[in-house]
Amino acid sequence: GESVGLHLPTLSVQEGDNSIINCAYSNSASDYFIWYKQESGKGPQFIIDIRSNMDKRQGQRVTVLLNKTVKHLSLQIAATQPGDSAVYFCAENSGGSNYKLTFGKGTLLTVNP
Amino acid sequence: ETGVTQSPTHLIKTRGQQVTLRCSSQSGHNTVSWYQQALGQGPQFIFQYYREEENGRGNFPPRFSGLQFPNYSSELNVNALELDDSALYLCASSLANRGRHGYTFGSGTRLTVV
Repeated sequence: GESVGLHLPTLSVQEGDNSIINCAYSNSASDYFIWYKQESGKGPQFIIDIRSNMDKRQGQRVTVLLNKTVKHLSLQIAATQPGDSAVYFCAENSGGSNYKLTFGKGTLLTVNP
Repeated sequence: ETGVTQSPTHLIKTRGQQVTLRCSSQSGHNTVSWYQQALGQGPQFIFQYYREEENGRGNFPPRFSGLQFPNYSSELNVNALELDDSALYLCASSLANRGRHGYTFGSGTRLTVV
């Protein structure tokens, strides 16, 4: 069955360091992936997305890498700041008319000042 | 442009009771999806509504039902509440032709079943 999982449940970094959050997926039909940030008491907030016809996409301080061969996705955050502390989820969608997103369990990122 | 608003923010119910959660979609959005997020887990898709009809459903029993109104707002109803229904319920709105690319989530309703 389809599933999206994360390698590490928690990640602690120093302010200014780069962070890498990993995600594995099992559904070969997945063709769209999104990273969300969820702060305490809030809903998921869109960070960056990538389609399966790409292997890299960059945003402001964030980069998403997609390796379809091993079904692996990563989110890189440059110069991590205390405001980046949150739970990060990857989510996938396999297209069609029903825009269901399948989320992983999440990684808690803690940025130490 | 207003975002997605959900009410109430917190709710405590007794096992066996029924609950209704409400969601107002973001201005201009015509599709609403509901997700259940258990503590420490990722959100799980419950169902989606478009043009006042259910447009897909996840692995949830029939006691989870919903409505969408002409103004695109939506309700999630859960009957015969069980302890495991305790979770954060998230509503997400989007514009149908942008679908997955344009999800906006609300802050959720925290439901506790005792």
